[in-house]
Amino acid sequence: GAGVSQSPSNKVTEKGKDVELRCDPISGHTALYWYRQSLGQGLEFLIYFQGNSAPDKSGLPSDRFSAERTGGSVSTLTIQRTQQEDSAVYLCASSVVGGGDEQYFGPGTRLTVT
Amino acid sequence: AQSVTQLDSQVPVFEEAPVELRCNYSSSVSVYLFWYVQYPNQGLQLLLKYLSGSTLVKSINGFEAEFNKSQTSFHLRKPSVHISDTAEYFCAVTTSASKIIFGSGTRLSIRP
Repeated sequence: GAGVSQSPSNKVTEKGKDVELRCDPISGHTALYWYRQSLGQGLEFLIYFQGNSAPDKSGLPSDRFSAERTGGSVSTLTIQRTQQEDSAVYLCASSVVGGGDEQYFGPGTRLTVT
Repeated sequence: AQSVTQLDSQVPVFEEAPVELRCNYSSSVSVYLFWYVQYPNQGLQLLLKYLSGSTLVKSINGFEAEFNKSQTSFHLRKPSVHISDTAEYFCAVTTSASKIIFGSGTRLSIRP
């Protein structure tokens, strides 16, 4: 079946612009995660959605970052007033439920802020 | 809250040599532990996981990891590596009701 998809695959934007990154999880997966992977860095947790519970936003680095998940499926990560340090690969993952379930990762969106 | 530490950012080894990638975690409650792998130009995928039961878990390509509660470790080992094992390996920890936290990754490079 279809895996996790993300769009766009690449995004180049000017500093100060807003960007939206999209994630389509595997159908039926109730848990959805966003991570950021910078060159030479590990996976930085950003936000976690689990079913209808309030999302865990503890990893969002600033109030310029926000995310929503509509209808328990598609998620959008929005970065306002982008900065050069926001340049990274943004990864989305989903799992059947949270906790010990295997996460299935999307291919990522490479964001470059010029 | 949980945390995970991967002690080595890079590990170079010769082909057919053994390898150990170290992972230590911190948690006040029972944990689930994972190793994920990212091959060059590919997405992350699960390599193996420990949820409960036998403390030694194995992957289909010859890797194994042992959960050691007293040392709070979950080191990844392979007795003989192959060029195709070249990748970045991430250790991760979670509890039953929380997000998964990843380590900073270990880049395994295999020399012929």
